[in-house]
Amino acid sequence: EADIYQTPRYLVIGTGKKITLECSQTMGHDKMYWYQQDPGMELHLIHYSYGVNSTEKGDLSSESTVSRIRTEHFPLTLESARPSHTSQYLCASSVTSGPRAKGELFFGEGSRLTVL
Amino acid sequence: DAKTTQPPSMDCAEGRAANLPCNHSTISGNEYVYWYRQIHSQGPQYIIHGLKNNETNEMASLIITEDRKSSTLILPHATLRDTAVYYCIVRGFGNEKLTFGTGTRLTIIP
Repeated sequence: EADIYQTPRYLVIGTGKKITLECSQTMGHDKMYWYQQDPGMELHLIHYSYGVNSTEKGDLSSESTVSRIRTEHFPLTLESARPSHTSQYLCASSVTSGPRAKGELFFGEGSRLTVL
Repeated sequence: DAKTTQPPSMDCAEGRAANLPCNHSTISGNEYVYWYRQIHSQGPQYIIHGLKNNETNEMASLIITEDRKSSTLILPHATLRDTAVYYCIVRGFGNEKLTFGTGTRLTIIP
């Protein structure tokens, strides 16, 4: 059973507001990811992290930013939300080294953001 | 990561085996084949992965051709709860830019 949690699950917010989507995992995984997915569409990687103090941009350009100050925590921030940011944001983690490593991603349940 | 090609949709009768194909003709020697599924709008769920040998777990079986250019995910006795979008992904360890593609929408028919 994967232990990765996202909050909030649903958020409706006005244009211009700052929002932070939280993602935490209790598995000690080194790698963490943020994907963006519009309804019925593909998942797009927007950010990932190899470990503490490491963050990289993914394939899809995003106005969001991320930080990785602790292994278990990988929050995503939008400084000024716009209607174009309306989407579902999925956080994931994985471990790719050591005896437990299979390289699979464990996903949270997602945060569905609506910007009015 | 190598690009994968999957049929956009498939139907399967409940209780029958569901066979989902995936082409990955540009796969390189150190890349694994992973399968995930996404039920409705939940986060994708890992199913199985393999390098070159066939693999089986409690959820499914994975058959990889000898030249590794294609694979098939087999759900041996499909149930209605297996209705989902199934993604085939090719990934090398250390490459974190996982691309999910559009997947196959599998519908299990009662």
